Amino acid sequence: GENVEQHPSTLSVQEGDSAVIKCTYSDSASNYFPWYKQELGKGPQLIIDIRSNVGEKKDQRIAVTLNKTAKHFSLHITETQPEDSAVYFCAARENNAGNMLTFGGGTRLMVKP
Amino acid sequence: GAVVSQHPSRVICKSGTSVKIECRSLDFQATTMFWYRQFPKKSLMLMATSNEGSKATYEQGVEKDKFLINHASLTLSTLTVTSAHPEDSSFYICSARDSRGGYEQFFGPGTRLTVL
Repeated sequence: GENVEQHPSTLSVQEGDSAVIKCTYSDSASNYFPWYKQELGKGPQLIIDIRSNVGEKKDQRIAVTLNKTAKHFSLHITETQPEDSAVYFCAARENNAGNMLTFGGGTRLMVKP
Repeated sequence: GAVVSQHPSRVICKSGTSVKIECRSLDFQATTMFWYRQFPKKSLMLMATSNEGSKATYEQGVEKDKFLINHASLTLSTLTVTSAHPEDSSFYICSARDSRGGYEQFFGPGTRLTVL
């Protein structure tokens, strides 16, 4: 089955700096890679996703890159703000109705004002 | 974006009682819903996958008689924790997959269960 590794487990940055979180996956058949943000005491919120037919996707300060050959994908947050502080989870899945998301272990991002 | 609601958000119960948690997709139909359990500072652990109108598929190690799942409609799934014990205390999160295409998966806000 799929195995997703996520690094780092914790990340502390100064407000305004960039943050990068990296994930690797094992199943070459996976072709859907979402990222979730989870604030304390709340459910995960989908913030961006990418499918295997593209190498990069951007939404304002958030971008995701995908390298299918190396089987890794990354989340990039630019101009970080204190409200970006949360736990971020990456996930991977074959994009059909029968398969489940496999999650990484999570990254606790702390943005210092 | 798609909204998934969960009720209750927080519940405290006595040991031996049963607790029902509801999960609703508010603005889309979800033929598939998922139930997760999350321990403090840990990732999400999939408990079961439920498909509308059929029996849920449980992950290895999850007792189906203890965690009853019903997915009676395209917008509602329920998880009942039967004969709850303190070790069942946890954060339970449901998720619904939008079946219209793309198969994005959206999460509810979670339910904090405390069993005394």
